[in-house]
Amino acid sequence: EIVLTQSPGTLSLSRGERATLSCRASQSVSSSYLAWYQHKPGQAPRLLIYGASSRATGIPDRFIGSGSGTDFTLTISRLEPGDFAVYYCQVYDRSGALTFGGGTKVEIK
Amino acid sequence: QVQLVQSGAEVRKPGASVKVSCKTFGYTFTDYVIHWVRQAPGQGLEWMGWINTDNGNRKYSQKFQDRVTITSDTSATTAYMELTSLRSEDTTIYYCARGVGKQKMDYWGQGTLVTVSS
Repeated sequence: EIVLTQSPGTLSLSRGERATLSCRASQSVSSSYLAWYQHKPGQAPRLLIYGASSRATGIPDRFIGSGSGTDFTLTISRLEPGDFAVYYCQVYDRSGALTFGGGTKVEIK
Repeated sequence: QVQLVQSGAEVRKPGASVKVSCKTFGYTFTDYVIHWVRQAPGQGLEWMGWINTDNGNRKYSQKFQDRVTITSDTSATTAYMELTSLRSEDTTIYYCARGVGKQKMDYWGQGTLVTVSS
């Protein structure tokens, strides 16, 4: 079973700052199967990035996904008020099971 | 447009079962899998399982393997998640989501709150 470790647990930043979120896998994963989601209280999760670096429909270009192997990063280049949320990485393994990371909360400083 | 509409909130006693539905609209039901995800109490997202709505194949998380059953009804374009032997720790919000291959879950239901309380 693949374990995804996200860091930091909480990121305190101001509007306009850059956020860098890390997702580390316990074993090498296919970039094709790595996705990122944004989750706000009271709302359903929202797909941001799939295939490690492809933005989902309607996602602004300030959201940038990168990485390969065991290390993946979500960068939010300039934080806007609506970006303060919890972010999760997610991956499929070879058995077809799916795993989420523990999440990174991006909060207003 | 694509929509996934879940059934309403449920209250159950410990030891009981609950079945949540996910009615889909706006796309060919059998072209996509349906996942079930919950928000672990006080924690993050937990994947529970998926169903291939075309052939009925299913995959469950080892954590829920013994207690969850995911089914689908093609004629009703609806998927279902049944969780048995409920305990207080199962009190949380359950989501269905449309899965595109192994790449992504691109559309989500609004969530269903399940409360387990004596």
